[in-house]
Amino acid sequence: DGGITQSPKYLFRKEGQNVTLSCEQNLNHDAMYWYRQDPGQGLRLIYYSQIVNDFQKGDIAEGYSVSREKKESFPLTVTSAQKNPTAFYLCASSQVFADTQYFGPGTRLTVL
Amino acid sequence: QKEVEQNSGPLSVPEGAIASLNCTYSDRGSQSFFWYRQYSGKSPELIMSIYSNGDKEDGRFTAQLNKASQYVSLLIRDSQPSDSATYLCVSQAGTALIFGKGTTLSVSS
Repeated sequence: DGGITQSPKYLFRKEGQNVTLSCEQNLNHDAMYWYRQDPGQGLRLIYYSQIVNDFQKGDIAEGYSVSREKKESFPLTVTSAQKNPTAFYLCASSQVFADTQYFGPGTRLTVL
Repeated sequence: QKEVEQNSGPLSVPEGAIASLNCTYSDRGSQSFFWYRQYSGKSPELIMSIYSNGDKEDGRFTAQLNKASQYVSLLIRDSQPSDSATYLCVSQAGTALIFGKGTTLSVSS
C-alpha cells in the first residue's frame, strides 16, 4: 500500500521543548516537502528536499530544522526558537521537484 | 511577489447545481496548475492538474485554463453535499509552487 505517513497525528509541546515530526513515504519519490497551515490560511513552505542528503529552506524556515538521510524519510524538528509553532503540519512528496505533490495526513501541533 | 488569488467564499450552491471556483495567478511563467480539495482538519488531496490552455474533464470535474488572462477555474457539475470542502488552487513556475488560500464550497441538500 503506497503512500505517505506522518506521526504522530496530534502532538503537544511545552514551552522550550524541541519536538520532531515524522514523515515517511514508500512512493519512491525523490522530492519531499514540509508545509505549515494556520487556520484560514494557505500552505506555507518550511523546507524542501530534492534528493537525499540535500535540503533547502522555504519561506518560513526559521525555528525549524530537517534532515534527509534516507529517500523515504524527511523528519522535521520544531525547535524552541520557533515562537508560534501551534499549527497543522503537512508533509508532501513528488516524483521530481515541483511536480504534482501528494500529501500525508498531517500532524497537529499544539503548544501548551 | 508571486501570488495565487482565490475568493475565500463561502460559495454556497444547492445540491445538483454547478459550482464554479476561480483563481488568478500573477506569474506569467507559470506552467502547471493543480486543484486540491481539503476537508476540514484533513490534508489536501489532488483533484485535477492542467498544463495547457483549454478544458480538461474528469468525471464531474472540469478544469479550465486561460494563460492569456492568467485565470484558472474548476467546475463541479451535479454538486453533492460531499463536495463541501475548501478548494486550493496551485500554480507551478520553475521550482516554485504557489498555493492560494482556498475557496470554501458549501453544497446544501
